[in-house]
Formats: sequence, structure tokens, C-alpha cells
Amino acid sequence: GDSVTQMEGPVTLSEEAFLTINCTYTATGYPSLFWYVQYPGEGLQLLLKATKADDKGSNKGFEATYRKETTSFHLEKGSVQVSDSAVYFCALKTNAGKSTFGDGTTLTVKP
Amino acid sequence: SQTIHQWPATLVQPVGSPLSLECTVEGTSNPNLYWYRQAAGRGLQLLFYSVGIGQISSEVPQNLSASRPQDRQFILSSKKLLLSDSGFYLCAWSNPRGPGGELFFGEGSRLTVL
Repeated sequence: GDSVTQMEGPVTLSEEAFLTINCTYTATGYPSLFWYVQYPGEGLQLLLKATKADDKGSNKGFEATYRKETTSFHLEKGSVQVSDSAVYFCALKTNAGKSTFGDGTTLTVKP
Repeated sequence: SQTIHQWPATLVQPVGSPLSLECTVEGTSNPNLYWYRQAAGRGLQLLFYSVGIGQISSEVPQNLSASRPQDRQFILSSKKLLLSDSGFYLCAWSNPRGPGGELFFGEGSRLTVL
């Protein structure tokens, strides 16, 4: 079945550091890929998405590129801020309609 | 614009008591609806999804049930709660006609069973 494996946390960085959170997937067909963010005590929000190979999703300084050859969708940001502290979820959705989520990676950014 | 609301936000219930969590979506019609559970420090587990009124698919056998009495209303219920039912419950919707496929989540309901 479909699965998403993402980098285990927690990840702790200093403000302005470079961020990478790895995500790889296994799926039949050609899934759409997503990164969601969850701030403390809240639901998940879509951060960015990519619907086909080589697409780059970007939002709020975060980027991720859909790499079909490596079945990856790594999240990156060049300079993190304290306000980026949250839990980040990688997810995929196939044409069958169901979404599969990774276990989440907790990011803490210290000033 | 579309919005999703779920309530209550926080609930503390004794073992063996009933449960009802409600979720409503506004600003769209015929959405796909979902209930997820998030245990502490874990990912999301899909519990139920629905593609229309009265159509419920269960992903995990358990003592929870879901109902969709109206197009934009989704209810999660239990007749007798277990300790293991504690967690953060998230309702979500998606547009079955949209190209993106993303999910839109409610604010979450934190359930503690004592």
C-alpha cells in the first residue's frame, strides 16, 4: 500500500539556519504530494503542494520539489524563524482519493 | 470562502460514557469528509471518510462510528468510550472536483478519557 516516510524529529535549529526535512514515499500511480504544518493546539494547514513530477511547491519561504526518480519531496527553507516552530507532515494523495500522512517532524527554532 | 468548524474543542469524559463530536463545512457542496485521530507525538490515523450523505467508510475497526446526516455535517460518535480513545480528533474536507486534492482541516477536538 501507499506509505510516507519522513525524517524523525525533533529538529532543533537556531534562527536563520537552513532547514531540510526529508520525505520519501511509496505509491501506485502518480500521487500528488503535500506538506502540511500544524501549530500547537491547532489543526493542520496546507503549506505547499506539487501535483506532478519536477513541480516545485513553494510558500512562505518553504520549497519542495517532486522528485519521481528518487520518490522524494524534501522540505527546505533557507532561513528559519522562531515562528516556524511547528510540526510538519508530508503527505500524498493518489487518484483513488485517500491521503496518506507521514508521522510528522517537530521543528523548534531557537532565537 | 469555505470554512470548517468542529466542536467541542476540548472534552474530558469518563470511561464508558458516550461521545459526540460534530463537524460542519460551509461554502461548498458535496465535499468529501474525513475524521482523523492524532495520538500524542504520532501521525494521523484515518478513521472514517464519506463521499456523500449516509455513505461512510471505516478504515479502522473500533468502538467509534460516524454519520453524515446532512451534506456538510459529519459526526463522530461512541456509545462507550475507552481509555485508548483519548487523542486529538481532526475533521477535514476536500473538494472531489478540485484538481489539487488537498485537505482542509478543522481546529481539532482534544478528547481525554479518564
